[in-house]
Order: sequence, then structure tokens, then C-alpha cells
Amino acid sequence: SYVLTQPPSVSVAPGQTARITCGGNNIGSKSVHWYQQKPGQAPVLVVSDDSDRPSGIPERFSGSNSGNTATLTITRVEAGDEADYYCQVWDSSSDHVVFGGGTKLTVL
Amino acid sequence: QVQLVQSGAEVKKPGSSVKVSCKAARGTFNSYAITWVRQAPGQGLEWMGGIIPIFATANYAQKFQGRVTITSDESTSTAFMELSSLRSEDTAVYYCARDLTSTVTGPFDFWGQGTMVTVSS
Repeated sequence: SYVLTQPPSVSVAPGQTARITCGGNNIGSKSVHWYQQKPGQAPVLVVSDDSDRPSGIPERFSGSNSGNTATLTITRVEAGDEADYYCQVWDSSSDHVVFGGGTKLTVL
Repeated sequence: QVQLVQSGAEVKKPGSSVKVSCKAARGTFNSYAITWVRQAPGQGLEWMGGIIPIFATANYAQKFQGRVTITSDESTSTAFMELSSLRSEDTAVYYCARDLTSTVTGPFDFWGQGTMVTVSS
């Protein structure tokens, strides 16, 4: 089955740029979606189809995808961005939705 | 704007079944797919399966094949997820979410509030 690998944690100071990676075999050929989840809340879609931003999501959130790595980039990080972030793809070979293990973003 | 409202928390005995509902309180499912995702305490998101209501066709994660049944009632814009043969490891928050597409692939743009299911003897 298809596996998505994320770093367990990423730390960044306020105002700096956070980059959260999502690794998978030839992930560049798939559409990657990113979700933000704060404690006790349901996930929120922050980036879809590699780099599209849903309505209401700040421009500070962006995504890219190439080769074996997709990246969620958050610029000018704020304290309110502290959350768990998950990448997600659809694996056509198994017809299954796959989530990465999640990355905890800590704002120092 | 679609709002998905899920049924309330459940406490179940090992070996029993649980059925969680997910109603579109505003709007309808229309041609969108609905997916179910669970999250055990302190763990990540785990996809369980999904359904395309207009076709009533469901797709299940291999891990849950034979134990999970996802259905929908278009007349009430409600989707259901039933999990049988419950064990302690099934203790989790269960979410429904709307797929932006008419297939169970993601992305998932609207999520229910989650339903806590506790399996304990």
C-alpha cells in the first residue's frame, strides 16, 4: 500500500517560514491535499490539489509537489498556526485514500 | 455552506456494533461523496471508507473490510457508518467529511464535529 511520510515535528519562531514535507513514491504524480487540525477540533482543509488555497485560508499557506516530496509552506508564522498538519492523497492502485502520519508544528 | 452534524458520543461493549450518523444540516449531499475518517486518542487520521450517495456505492479501507458498512439516505441527506465486532482499539473520534469531488478521493472541504466512540467492558 502507498505510504506517506511526514516528520513528527517542526518548530519555528514567529514570523519565520515553516516547511512541512510529505514524502511518497513519485508523489509528484498525485494530487496532494493538506489539513490543519488544532486540539479538540476537526481538520480543516488548507491546501488542495498541491497548491490551491480554499476560500478563507490566508495567502501565507502554500503548497508544492514534485518528485518524491510535497511541501506545505507557511510564511510569517503566527502563534495561531500551531497545530497538527496532515497530507493526503488518493492511491489509484488500491483505490484508497491515504493520510500521512501528521506533523506537529510548534511555534516557539 | 454545508454543515455536517454527527450523532452523539457512544459507549459500547467489546463485540458490539456502533452506528454513527452524519447529516447535512444545511445544503444537501448533491453529487458529492462522503468519507469517514477516525482518530484514536493521540494518534493521526485514519481513512475508513466513503460513499457516493447518488449511486449508493461504497469503498472501504482494506483494514476495515468486513467490519464496516457505510450507507446513505438521500431523502434526509444523512450518511451512516456502522462498525461491528468492536474492540478497545476502536476507541476513537469518528469524523465524516464531504469530498469536493463526486468520488471518494479527496480533498475533504467540510467536516462533521466528530463522534467519540468508547469501547470498554
